[in-house]
Amino acid sequence: GAVVSQHPSWVICKSGTSVKIECRSLDFQATTMFWYRQFPKQSLMLMATSNEGSKATYEQGVEKDKFLINHASLTLSTLTVTSAHPEDSSFYICSARPPEAGEVNEQFFGPGTRLTVL
Amino acid sequence: GQNIDQPTEMTATEGAIVQINCTYQTSGFNGLFWYQQHAGEAPTFLSYNVLDGLEEKGRFSSFLSRSKGYSYLLLKELQMKDSASYLCAALDSNYQLIWGAGTKLIIKP
Repeated sequence: GAVVSQHPSWVICKSGTSVKIECRSLDFQATTMFWYRQFPKQSLMLMATSNEGSKATYEQGVEKDKFLINHASLTLSTLTVTSAHPEDSSFYICSARPPEAGEVNEQFFGPGTRLTVL
Repeated sequence: GQNIDQPTEMTATEGAIVQINCTYQTSGFNGLFWYQQHAGEAPTFLSYNVLDGLEEKGRFSSFLSRSKGYSYLLLKELQMKDSASYLCAALDSNYQLIWGAGTKLIIKP
């Protein structure tokens, strides 16, 4: 199946700093990538849909100026958490949808990035 | 509004069979997914149903009834490694995934 990687796997930072998370599709081109956030014992919450070459579409309640998304190429999307605060500590997961997916709209997930803001 | 309901937690015995139910209400419907998620890891794809009926894949099977807005995931010959959360997600008319909160499955020896 398609492979999606994320970097870093985990990060600890001080409050007020910015953190960048990369999501790469390794063996396919992804025109669309998705960014999710998952708090402990909760389901995935879609934050935004990242479209290559255009602005991301943010879900209601997600601050676009705080969570900057850049999808500059067909294999890379980045999420930057600006001025991170302890409440931003969470598990951030990206996913990508191959254009020729055997299953309609099947998404392949990256391994996730655990962010801890002190 | 759009909603996915599934039990919060279930317990089963190694070697047994367990059925995890999911009901959904979405704006339009383009299929239903089941994902498995181990603690601290990302979800992995298990199954996709868009037509009514049962899809079997080895020890795992998934069923869909569109008229009832209902699906279930059936796990047979349970193994300890099946202990995980199982996420139900429905694809709405905009091809956006609507996620359930997940069912934590605990397998006991």
